[in-house]
Amino acid sequence: QVQLVQSGAEVQEPGASVKVSCKASGYTFTSYYVHWVRQAPGQGLEWVGVINPIDGGTRYAEKFRGRVSMTRDTSTATVYMKLTSLGSEATAVFYCARSPLDFHNPLPFDPWGQGTLVTVSS
Amino acid sequence: SYELTQPPSVSVSPGQTASITCSRDKLGDKYVSWYQQKPGQSPLLIIYLHTNRPSGIPERFSGSNSGNTATLTITGTQAMDEADYYCQAWDRISGVEFGGGTKLTVL
Repeated sequence: QVQLVQSGAEVQEPGASVKVSCKASGYTFTSYYVHWVRQAPGQGLEWVGVINPIDGGTRYAEKFRGRVSMTRDTSTATVYMKLTSLGSEATAVFYCARSPLDFHNPLPFDPWGQGTLVTVSS
Repeated sequence: SYELTQPPSVSVSPGQTASITCSRDKLGDKYVSWYQQKPGQSPLLIIYLHTNRPSGIPERFSGSNSGNTATLTITGTQAMDEADYYCQAWDRISGVEFGGGTKLTVL
């Protein structure tokens, strides 16, 4: 079955960086976009950005531009998200999710990964 | 803040119909998806392209979209439907947008 399996929980100090992985299985990796979504504790969903697995092209939400980078490894069907300059309020769960490879309508997101908790604490 | 506006909470009695709205200027021109999220779980797609249900999603979930408002309707609401619900749309300028989420309580 189609699955996205993310790396485990992380604890980082303020100002540090974190890199989270998302391994895809059960489908052709280069046939779907992979997105990242952030959810702070008790808060809603916030789109971080998207990567095209074919050529590695990316688009990031304005809020995260300059601090986030997304890459992929087609040999292992894995997508990575790196977030730098973590703020003390930045504790959140990050989800990866698959969507159709349609530039004009890259929705919906299905399925989602299990989520990775990134805790920022000194 | 969120580009898509949802009511923070909606309450419904078991067996009744629950409606959750999602508003934005000219939202009817965009494809809307809806997600259900239960505590401690990842979001689950329940409606896409305004009105379509993925396989495995019960028929009591339906969607509509017209003008400035999309609506998720749950007919014959069950206790298991108690969850947070999020709408989603794509904008070519701002990218993927989510609503702030609606907590559905089944009293």
